Amino acid sequence: DTAVSQTPKYLVTQMGNDKSIKCEQNLGHDTMYWYKQDSKKFLKIMFSYNNKELIINETVPNRFSPKSPDKAHLNLHINSLELGDSAVYFCASGGLPLHEQYFGPGTRLTVT
Amino acid sequence: GENVEQHPSTLSVQEGDSAVIKCTYSDSASNYFPWYKQELGKRPQLIIDIRSNVGEKKDQRIAVTLNKTAKHFSLHITETQPEDSAVYFCAASPFSGGYNKLIFGAGTRLAVHP
Repeated sequence: DTAVSQTPKYLVTQMGNDKSIKCEQNLGHDTMYWYKQDSKKFLKIMFSYNNKELIINETVPNRFSPKSPDKAHLNLHINSLELGDSAVYFCASGGLPLHEQYFGPGTRLTVT
Repeated sequence: GENVEQHPSTLSVQEGDSAVIKCTYSDSASNYFPWYKQELGKRPQLIIDIRSNVGEKKDQRIAVTLNKTAKHFSLHITETQPEDSAVYFCAASPFSGGYNKLIFGAGTRLAVHP
């Protein structure tokens, strides 16, 4: 029973396409996050939702749009994909009382 | 905003030796400091964390120390084993409002040689 799951695990697509990544957590957490890990392994927060409300929105191009239909799900939609979007995208969740964050397995996005 | 610096970027030790990774942070409001281990192709896994009201925390072979005055914190791994080989990330966050905005260091690639 995976705590934080993501689909798909791999995503290969061409420039200009639109794609989505889905994330689900069964930990009962209130807060979910999206992180981007680039080719140099640097991890950077992109977005966070708390109980379906957007609470963190870093300087991310507006081609990236997160959506949280309920507090157990956080999806990431990316429009007009660019080469520089190639990275591993991690979903994470955190909750009371200590708000440690637990990561999903990641989605490796390759834009050609 | 918060900035976290992590050193060294690579660390090579012999099995059984100790390994120390150091991080400094810039935002004095940060009060939560987790450490993650990431094996090749896997997700970052939380291995230990420390909060600002504590100076040191241990869990078996790993320990973390925090110096809030100097704004630095360190990860100590004793009796290293080959399975400790991975990339380790420190992070800092001003915990508030029910969520953590983790700012990560650039990572340390640890290699433990048998």
